[in-house]
Amino acid sequence: QVQLQQWGARLLKPSETLSLTCAVYVGSFSGYYWTWIRQPPGKGLEWIGEINDSGTINYHPSLKSRVTLSLDTSKNQFSLKLTSGTAADTAVYYCARRNCGGDNCRFDYWGQGTLVTVSS
Amino acid sequence: QSVLTQPPSVSAAPGQKVTISCSGSNSNIGNNYNYVSWYQQFPGTAPKLLIYENDKRPSGIPDRFSGSKSGTSATLGITGLQTGDEADYYCGTWDSSLSAVVFGGGTKLTVL
Repeated sequence: QVQLQQWGARLLKPSETLSLTCAVYVGSFSGYYWTWIRQPPGKGLEWIGEINDSGTINYHPSLKSRVTLSLDTSKNQFSLKLTSGTAADTAVYYCARRNCGGDNCRFDYWGQGTLVTVSS
Repeated sequence: QSVLTQPPSVSAAPGQKVTISCSGSNSNIGNNYNYVSWYQQFPGTAPKLLIYENDKRPSGIPDRFSGSKSGTSATLGITGLQTGDEADYYCGTWDSSLSAVVFGGGTKLTVL
């Protein structure tokens, strides 16, 4: 059973950089898109971006200038950095595996979520 | 403002059937190469995959849950409603114009 376990700083001041890491246990790291999704309190899901081990990276257009995704295949981990944090970045952040069979993609495994609060 | 549009809430009695709609455009749901998936989320927990490839159920998901897609819309159906089905439901797909995954705003299901 694939497991994703995530961690990172939970409280940031405005302008600081959000940093989260997700470790993948069991199963292959190759052949999937490793994804970050966030959910502001009481609101819906927002896709942040994804990375795979072939070097493909996709970002949400509205966050592209502030997001950096990276992959450490030796540790089966991937990471998110979001710069210039504001209160609008306060959300539960999830890591997830996007499993694509051709054009058919879905998020089949998720991390437990991390509530990150940006506040002075 | 979500790219995909879902009703904020739906409700029905136990044992009844409910449908949740997800409306998009030609750049996302309306594109035959963009498949719709549905997720169920209980408060305080991560979303769980319910339906993928428009109408397929992952192993372990009961056949009370079904999905369909037509034109620029998709629908999640739940039959034989149980109180344990009370949750938020989200649709998602790829948007070819944005080159991004997009989600609906979510629908809160209440089983009266």
